[in-house]
Amino acid sequence: QVQLQQWGAGVLKPSETLSLTCDVSGSSFIGYYWTWIRQSPGKGLEWIGEVNHSGDTNYNPSLKSRVTISVDTSEKQFSLKLSSVTAADTAVYYCVRVGLVSFFWGRGALVTVSS
Amino acid sequence: IVMTQSPLSLPVTPGEPASISCRSSQSLLQNDGHSYLDWFLQKPGQSPQLLIYWSSNRVSGVPDRFNGSGSGTDFTLKISRVETEDVGVYYCMQSLQTPLTFGGGTKVEIK
Repeated sequence: QVQLQQWGAGVLKPSETLSLTCDVSGSSFIGYYWTWIRQSPGKGLEWIGEVNHSGDTNYNPSLKSRVTISVDTSEKQFSLKLSSVTAADTAVYYCVRVGLVSFFWGRGALVTVSS
Repeated sequence: IVMTQSPLSLPVTPGEPASISCRSSQSLLQNDGHSYLDWFLQKPGQSPQLLIYWSSNRVSGVPDRFNGSGSGTDFTLKISRVETEDVGVYYCMQSLQTPLTFGGGTKVEIK
């Protein structure tokens, strides 16, 4: 049974770097894109980016200059870093396993940016 | 690709049908014949769950009262007879190309 368990700091100050990690169990890394999606009241659901098992990445152009997504298959986890955060980055962040015809979402983690 | 959903809110009576529309700013039809349009339901307090992929294919376990249709740029999700467990926010999403993009959501609630 697939499980995605995400963790990281929940409160940040402006200009800090958001860092989240998603632990994966019950799934191979091969054949999927390991994805981060966020949800905020103002912007709805927003795709941040993805990484595959080889470390190939795709990022949303709107965030590309600030985002790094990486994978560590030996530790069975993938990670998100978003630099120079502002209040606009306050959102629930989801780690998601994306297959050809499947989406499996983690439970989400609220990240709040406040001075 | 910009995704536009309507209506924003949809009050429904249990047992009655419901219909949600989604339009994309460009065709989602791929050379393989599939339109890369998915439907998700986010129940209160939960993560979104995939209901329909490739416009009209139900995910295993999704009740057959949920039906997706459409091709190209215009798509519809229909619930033949709404049940109380169907309340939540429905999102369409294009998976043709990155960045994947979502519609703004349709909140289905019981009258």
